[in-house]
Amino acid sequence: DTEVTQTPKHLVMGMTNKKSLKCEQHMGHRAMYWYKQKAKKPPELMFVYSYEKLSINESVPSRFSPECPNSSLLNLHLHALQPEDSALYLCASSQALTEYGYTFGSGTRLTVV
Amino acid sequence: AQSVTQPDIHITVSEGASLELRCNYSYGATPYLFWYVQSPGQGLQLLLKYFSGDTLVQGIKGFEAEFKRSQSSFNLRKPSVHWSDAAEYFCAVGTYSSASKIIFGSGTRLSIRP
Repeated sequence: DTEVTQTPKHLVMGMTNKKSLKCEQHMGHRAMYWYKQKAKKPPELMFVYSYEKLSINESVPSRFSPECPNSSLLNLHLHALQPEDSALYLCASSQALTEYGYTFGSGTRLTVV
Repeated sequence: AQSVTQPDIHITVSEGASLELRCNYSYGATPYLFWYVQSPGQGLQLLLKYFSGDTLVQGIKGFEAEFKRSQSSFNLRKPSVHWSDAAEYFCAVGTYSSASKIIFGSGTRLSIRP
């Protein structure tokens, strides 16, 4: 298995809703990442988990809450989002060292209404 | 801090023509360099990577890139493009430290003229 699987593929949520994005990989990768990508922009790093511990939080608002329950799973819990949070949310995983590059999932297209 | 610049926002080439996408990086040490491709609404796919050794690296789909330390560049090339190569291309630089991460350039959109 050489894939990163993200669910759901599309999500529409209201500003008062609570929802979660899920990311799963079975490649034995020990680092996992959340990126946010707005239209016609590059991906922007949000969070990095290394060996199931949060190692980087790029000053992301607290309405985004990451969770890494085990080495194969990464969740992003969403609460009280704003319309400007609408974007493609990408999950990625990698070997522990950056030099191998990341394997990306196909993303969750999030729309906040 | 590391950064990467892609000076071309949009490039159009004819099918069968050669392609070169430019990438310049800024980093104090030897960086890890990557090229990714993204089709509309999709995730990113790794085309190739460089972190040591031969400065000319071969990737998937017939792409190659050359690392030039003196010019701080890592340009992507393909001798003959196909219509299916139309996509967004991102150059990226990575570092290894206590907080390893990859930073992406702003991207170059490639269009193919029939």
